[in-house]
Amino acid sequence: EAQVTQNPRYLITVTGKKLTVTCSQNMNHEYMSWYRQDPGLGLRQIYYSMNVEVTDKGDVPEGYKVSRKEKRNFPLILESPSPNQTSLYFCASRTGTGTSPLHFGNGTRLTVT
Amino acid sequence: GENVEQHPSTLSVQEGDSAVIKCTYSDSASNYFPWYKQELGKGPQLIIDIRSNVGEKKDQRIAVTLNKTAKHFSLHITETQPEDSAVYFCAGSLGGKLQFGAGTQVVVTP
Repeated sequence: EAQVTQNPRYLITVTGKKLTVTCSQNMNHEYMSWYRQDPGLGLRQIYYSMNVEVTDKGDVPEGYKVSRKEKRNFPLILESPSPNQTSLYFCASRTGTGTSPLHFGNGTRLTVT
Repeated sequence: GENVEQHPSTLSVQEGDSAVIKCTYSDSASNYFPWYKQELGKGPQLIIDIRSNVGEKKDQRIAVTLNKTAKHFSLHITETQPEDSAVYFCAGSLGGKLQFGAGTQVVVTP
């Protein structure tokens, strides 16, 4: 089954404790992206990757890091999480064509205390 | 960059009635406008999209219209059913980058 898999689904952590949210897709998609969803703000792009070893900032990149060492994986790293990073996070992928559908994972609910 | 505004933020409709969600965009160069549906506990899923060279597109009970002159596009759901209850996001694409609206919570009441 074609899918984007994120782990974990829920994560509670404390300020400053480094964490990684994993994302993997099995559709051989070139493009992958991370979004955060906050009430009243919709989906905002954090980082995206056009292909292996090619990453770029989205609209809200501060406090996040990403890497794309393999085509299928695109982890999101929070080196020193802060309470304002409490949010619902989504990983998504699509083919290289800008008008192809985005396929989203089921989300990671992160709480930073 | 592109800015997409979406209204209303919440919409309550009686089962069987129609629902309309409206979005406006700022950059006239935007050329692709998808709509995503997010059910509870899941990620958004594409339900319909429209390109800038088309004025209207329909797929069963859902339709999207685009007015390039006014820079707005709308989602129409007819004969609403309980399974239509979800959050709906519009988006505009400029150079392959999607900008999402804030979302509309649709509640279909029996």
